[in-house]
Amino acid sequence: AQSVTQPDIHITVSEGASLELRCNYSYGATPYLFWYVQSPGQGLQLLLKYFSGDTLVQGIKGFEAEFKRSQSSFNLRKPSVHWSDAAEYFCAVGARPGQNFVFGPGTRLSVLP
Amino acid sequence: TAGITQAPTSQILAAGRSMTLRCTQDMRHNAMYWYRQDLGLGLRLIHYSNTAGTTGKGEVPDGYSVSRANTDDFPLTLASAVPSQTSVYFCASSEEPRADTQYFGPGTRLTVL
Repeated sequence: AQSVTQPDIHITVSEGASLELRCNYSYGATPYLFWYVQSPGQGLQLLLKYFSGDTLVQGIKGFEAEFKRSQSSFNLRKPSVHWSDAAEYFCAVGARPGQNFVFGPGTRLSVLP
Repeated sequence: TAGITQAPTSQILAAGRSMTLRCTQDMRHNAMYWYRQDLGLGLRLIHYSNTAGTTGKGEVPDGYSVSRANTDDFPLTLASAVPSQTSVYFCASSEEPRADTQYFGPGTRLTVL
């Protein structure tokens, strides 16, 4: 069965600084990978997804993520963080039909002015 | 479009009482899902439905039941609530079952005393 780890429970960065949120997955084949963001009191919003092809994927709000098969990773990046990016970020892995999504525990991002 | 709506927004429930959390989507998606979100555990799948008339068990189904009488509605019922069911509950849908992008509702915060 697939699993997802997000090693960082909480990250604090200054506004304008770069950001990288880590995600590692365990799955025997090529997974479907997702990053979701949850703003306080809100539901989850899809940032980006990877199914196949180019391993660097672009998402909304200036985020990007890179799939690295050799490292079983799908880290989320943003070159310059804005105060509105403060939220909880969830990495998720899905498989081809037959298995459901598995979400990581989440990383809470705080942004300092 | 409204997307996914959930009701109620929040609820305090006495242990032993029953309750139904409502979820409605207007996107004509085939698949729907119920997750619970707990601190440090991320989102865990409770039940899912690949299409109207069918349901399946997720990772943590005990104490919960669902039905899918039509495409739009996917209610979650707690027959006899226990304090460990205190959580935030999210309903989600996807155009096709599993491995596809999921769209989330705003959540229901449930406290069982």
